[in-house]
Amino acid sequence: RKEVEQDPGPFNVPEGATVAFNCTYSNSASQSFFWYRQDCRKEPKLLMSVYSSGNEDGRFTAQLNRASQYISLLIRDSKLSDSATYLCLPSGGSYIPTFGRGTSLIVHP
Amino acid sequence: DTAVSQTPKYLVTQMGNDKSIKCEQNLGHDTMYWYKQDSKKFLKIMFSYNNKELIINETVPNRFSPKSPDKAHLNLHINSLELGDSAVYFCASSQDRLGAGRETQYFGPGTRLLVL
Repeated sequence: RKEVEQDPGPFNVPEGATVAFNCTYSNSASQSFFWYRQDCRKEPKLLMSVYSSGNEDGRFTAQLNRASQYISLLIRDSKLSDSATYLCLPSGGSYIPTFGRGTSLIVHP
Repeated sequence: DTAVSQTPKYLVTQMGNDKSIKCEQNLGHDTMYWYKQDSKKFLKIMFSYNNKELIINETVPNRFSPKSPDKAHLNLHINSLELGDSAVYFCASSQDRLGAGRETQYFGPGTRLLVL
Protein backbone atom coordinates (compact mmCIF):
# COMPACT_ATOMS: atom_id res chain seq x y z
CA ARG A 1 0.00 0.00 0.00
CA LYS A 2 1.33 3.42 -0.92
CA GLU A 3 1.89 5.88 1.92
CA VAL A 4 -0.65 8.38 0.66
CA GLU A 5 -3.18 7.54 -2.02
CA GLN A 6 -5.55 9.79 -3.87
CA ASP A 7 -7.81 9.18 -6.83
CA PRO A 8 -6.20 11.32 -9.54
CA GLY A 9 -9.58 12.00 -11.20
CA PRO A 10 -10.40 14.21 -12.91
CA PHE A 11 -13.65 14.80 -11.13
CA ASN A 12 -15.77 16.71 -13.62
CA VAL A 13 -18.74 18.45 -11.99
CA PRO A 14 -21.16 21.25 -12.87
CA GLU A 15 -21.20 24.52 -10.99
CA GLY A 16 -23.21 24.26 -7.80
CA ALA A 17 -22.57 20.56 -7.34
CA THR A 18 -21.24 18.94 -4.20
CA VAL A 19 -18.13 16.85 -4.69
CA ALA A 20 -16.03 14.78 -2.32
CA PHE A 21 -12.76 12.96 -2.66
CA ASN A 22 -10.69 10.90 -0.31
CA CYS A 23 -7.10 10.54 0.72
CA THR A 24 -6.00 7.28 2.32
CA TYR A 25 -2.83 7.07 4.38
CA SER A 26 -0.85 4.11 5.61
CA ASN A 27 0.94 5.58 8.64
CA SER A 28 -1.42 5.12 11.60
CA ALA A 29 0.72 7.52 13.63
CA SER A 30 -0.42 10.45 11.49
CA GLN A 31 -2.16 12.94 13.74
CA SER A 32 -2.87 15.94 11.58
CA PHE A 33 -3.58 16.46 7.94
CA PHE A 34 -3.33 19.18 5.39
CA TRP A 35 -5.16 19.84 2.17
CA TYR A 36 -3.25 21.95 -0.33
CA ARG A 37 -4.68 23.36 -3.50
CA GLN A 38 -2.56 23.65 -6.66
CA ASP A 39 -3.76 25.61 -9.64
CA CYS A 40 -2.41 24.75 -13.07
CA ARG A 41 1.24 25.77 -13.41
CA LYS A 42 1.24 27.39 -9.97
CA GLU A 43 2.60 26.53 -6.56
CA PRO A 44 0.60 24.58 -3.95
CA LYS A 45 -1.16 26.67 -1.31
CA LEU A 46 -2.66 25.56 1.98
CA LEU A 47 -6.42 25.13 1.80
CA MET A 48 -7.18 23.57 5.16
CA SER A 49 -5.55 22.01 8.21
CA VAL A 50 -7.19 19.18 10.14
CA TYR A 51 -6.04 18.50 13.70
CA SER A 52 -8.91 16.46 15.11
CA SER A 53 -11.85 14.66 13.57
CA GLY A 54 -12.52 17.31 10.99
CA ASN A 55 -12.67 20.92 10.01
CA GLU A 56 -15.07 23.20 8.19
CA ASP A 57 -14.28 26.41 6.39
CA GLY A 58 -17.13 27.89 4.41
CA ARG A 59 -17.97 25.54 1.55
CA PHE A 60 -15.11 23.20 2.41
CA THR A 61 -15.34 20.40 4.94
CA ALA A 62 -12.64 17.91 5.81
CA GLN A 63 -13.54 14.75 7.72
CA LEU A 64 -11.13 12.29 9.22
CA ASN A 65 -11.83 8.60 9.62
CA ARG A 66 -8.99 7.23 11.72
CA ALA A 67 -10.35 3.68 11.84
CA SER A 68 -10.25 3.39 8.07
CA GLN A 69 -7.29 5.75 7.72
CA TYR A 70 -8.66 8.21 5.27
CA ILE A 71 -9.50 11.86 5.18
CA SER A 72 -12.08 13.32 2.86
CA LEU A 73 -12.56 16.77 1.40
CA LEU A 74 -16.10 17.87 0.63
CA ILE A 75 -16.78 20.92 -1.48
CA ARG A 76 -20.30 22.28 -1.53
CA ASP A 77 -21.77 24.61 -4.12
CA SER A 78 -18.79 24.22 -6.45
CA LYS A 79 -17.52 27.31 -8.22
CA LEU A 80 -15.59 27.52 -11.46
CA SER A 81 -12.70 28.86 -9.42
CA ASP A 82 -12.54 25.62 -7.42
CA SER A 83 -11.02 23.91 -10.47
CA ALA A 84 -7.59 22.82 -9.32
CA THR A 85 -5.65 19.84 -8.03
CA TYR A 86 -6.09 19.04 -4.36
CA LEU A 87 -3.11 17.52 -2.57
CA CYS A 88 -3.28 15.67 0.73
CA LEU A 89 -0.44 15.70 3.27
CA PRO A 90 -0.55 13.65 6.48
CA SER A 91 1.60 14.74 9.39
CA GLY A 92 2.82 13.26 12.64
CA GLY A 93 3.97 9.82 11.61
CA SER A 94 7.14 11.11 10.04
CA TYR A 95 8.83 14.47 9.56
CA ILE A 96 9.30 13.64 5.89
CA PRO A 97 6.51 15.30 3.90
CA THR A 98 4.81 12.79 1.64
CA PHE A 99 2.15 14.39 -0.49
CA GLY A 100 -0.53 12.43 -2.23
CA ARG A 101 -0.52 12.47 -6.00
CA GLY A 102 -3.44 14.90 -5.95
CA THR A 103 -7.01 14.82 -7.18
CA SER A 104 -7.91 16.96 -10.16
CA LEU A 105 -11.23 18.81 -10.00
CA ILE A 106 -12.82 20.45 -13.00
CA VAL A 107 -15.92 22.55 -12.40
CA HIS A 108 -17.77 23.41 -15.60
CA PRO A 109 -20.57 25.92 -16.28
CA ASP B 1 6.34 41.35 -0.52
CA THR B 2 7.02 37.88 -1.89
CA ALA B 3 7.24 35.40 0.98
CA VAL B 4 9.17 32.67 -0.84
CA SER B 5 10.95 33.60 -4.02
CA GLN B 6 12.90 31.50 -6.49
CA THR B 7 15.18 32.39 -9.35
CA PRO B 8 15.18 31.77 -12.18
CA LYS B 9 11.56 31.11 -13.03
CA TYR B 10 12.50 29.33 -16.26
CA LEU B 11 15.70 27.50 -17.06
CA VAL B 12 16.44 25.92 -20.43
CA THR B 13 19.81 24.24 -20.77
CA GLN B 14 21.74 21.51 -22.52
CA MET B 15 22.49 18.07 -21.16
CA GLY B 16 25.70 17.93 -19.21
CA ASN B 17 25.58 21.53 -18.02
CA ASP B 18 25.68 22.61 -14.38
CA LYS B 19 23.01 24.97 -13.08
CA SER B 20 21.83 26.50 -9.83
CA ILE B 21 18.43 27.55 -8.55
CA LYS B 22 18.14 30.02 -5.71
CA CYS B 23 15.47 30.29 -3.05
CA GLU B 24 14.87 32.92 -0.42
CA GLN B 25 12.17 33.28 2.21
CA ASN B 26 11.41 36.39 4.24
CA LEU B 27 9.02 34.72 6.67
CA GLY B 28 11.59 34.05 9.38
CA HIS B 29 10.98 30.30 9.06
CA ASP B 30 13.43 27.70 10.37
CA THR B 31 12.73 24.96 7.82
CA MET B 32 13.15 24.99 4.06
CA TYR B 33 12.51 22.35 1.41
CA TRP B 34 13.16 21.46 -2.19
CA TYR B 35 10.56 19.50 -4.10
CA LYS B 36 10.53 18.10 -7.63
CA GLN B 37 7.26 17.92 -9.55
CA ASP B 38 7.54 15.83 -12.68
CA SER B 39 5.35 15.65 -15.75
CA LYS B 40 2.94 13.36 -13.91
CA LYS B 41 2.46 16.14 -11.35
CA PHE B 42 3.77 14.09 -8.44
CA LEU B 43 5.26 16.45 -5.84
CA LYS B 44 8.23 14.68 -4.31
CA ILE B 45 10.43 15.89 -1.47
CA MET B 46 14.14 16.06 -2.27
CA PHE B 47 15.82 17.89 0.60
CA SER B 48 14.97 19.76 3.75
CA TYR B 49 17.02 21.98 6.02
CA ASN B 50 16.15 23.00 9.54
CA ASN B 51 18.19 25.86 10.94
CA LYS B 52 20.80 25.34 8.23
CA GLU B 53 21.15 21.63 8.99
CA LEU B 54 20.23 18.99 6.43
CA ILE B 55 17.44 16.86 7.89
CA ILE B 56 15.97 15.21 4.81
CA ASN B 57 17.87 13.80 1.86
CA GLU B 58 15.56 11.57 -0.12
CA THR B 59 17.22 9.20 -2.59
CA VAL B 60 18.33 12.01 -4.81
CA PRO B 61 21.29 11.50 -7.16
CA ASN B 62 24.41 13.12 -5.77
CA ARG B 63 24.48 15.37 -8.84
CA PHE B 64 22.01 17.42 -6.78
CA SER B 65 23.55 19.39 -3.95
CA PRO B 66 21.65 21.76 -1.69
CA LYS B 67 23.33 24.60 0.14
CA SER B 68 21.92 26.71 2.92
CA PRO B 69 24.17 29.71 3.62
CA ASP B 70 21.68 30.97 6.22
CA LYS B 71 18.16 30.22 7.45
CA ALA B 72 16.57 32.43 4.81
CA HIS B 73 18.24 30.83 1.81
CA LEU B 74 18.32 27.37 0.32
CA ASN B 75 19.96 26.93 -3.05
CA LEU B 76 20.02 23.88 -5.29
CA HIS B 77 22.95 23.10 -7.52
CA ILE B 78 22.66 20.45 -10.22
CA ASN B 79 25.70 18.99 -11.96
CA SER B 80 25.77 17.19 -15.30
CA LEU B 81 22.13 17.77 -16.10
CA GLU B 82 20.21 14.90 -17.66
CA LEU B 83 17.00 14.80 -19.69
CA GLY B 84 15.16 13.24 -16.75
CA ASP B 85 15.92 16.27 -14.61
CA SER B 86 13.36 18.25 -16.59
CA ALA B 87 10.63 19.16 -14.12
CA VAL B 88 9.31 21.96 -11.98
CA TYR B 89 11.34 22.51 -8.82
CA PHE B 90 9.56 24.10 -5.88
CA CYS B 91 11.16 25.62 -2.84
CA ALA B 92 9.08 25.86 0.33
CA SER B 93 9.46 26.96 3.92
CA SER B 94 7.69 26.36 7.22
CA GLN B 95 8.22 27.58 10.76
CA ASP B 96 8.74 24.07 12.10
CA ARG B 97 9.40 20.77 10.43
CA LEU B 98 6.50 18.44 9.73
CA GLY B 99 4.94 17.05 12.89
CA ALA B 100 6.40 19.73 15.13
CA GLY B 101 3.47 22.12 15.20
CA ARG B 102 3.75 25.17 12.96
CA GLU B 103 4.22 23.10 9.86
CA THR B 104 2.22 24.91 7.19
CA GLN B 105 4.42 25.11 4.12
CA TYR B 106 4.65 28.17 1.91
CA PHE B 107 5.82 27.47 -1.58
CA GLY B 108 7.78 29.53 -4.03
CA PRO B 109 6.44 30.01 -7.58
CA GLY B 110 8.57 27.19 -8.96
CA THR B 111 11.44 26.93 -11.42
CA ARG B 112 10.62 25.23 -14.70
CA LEU B 113 13.72 23.37 -15.82
CA LEU B 114 13.96 21.98 -19.33
CA VAL B 115 17.01 19.96 -20.28
CA LEU B 116 17.58 19.55 -24.01
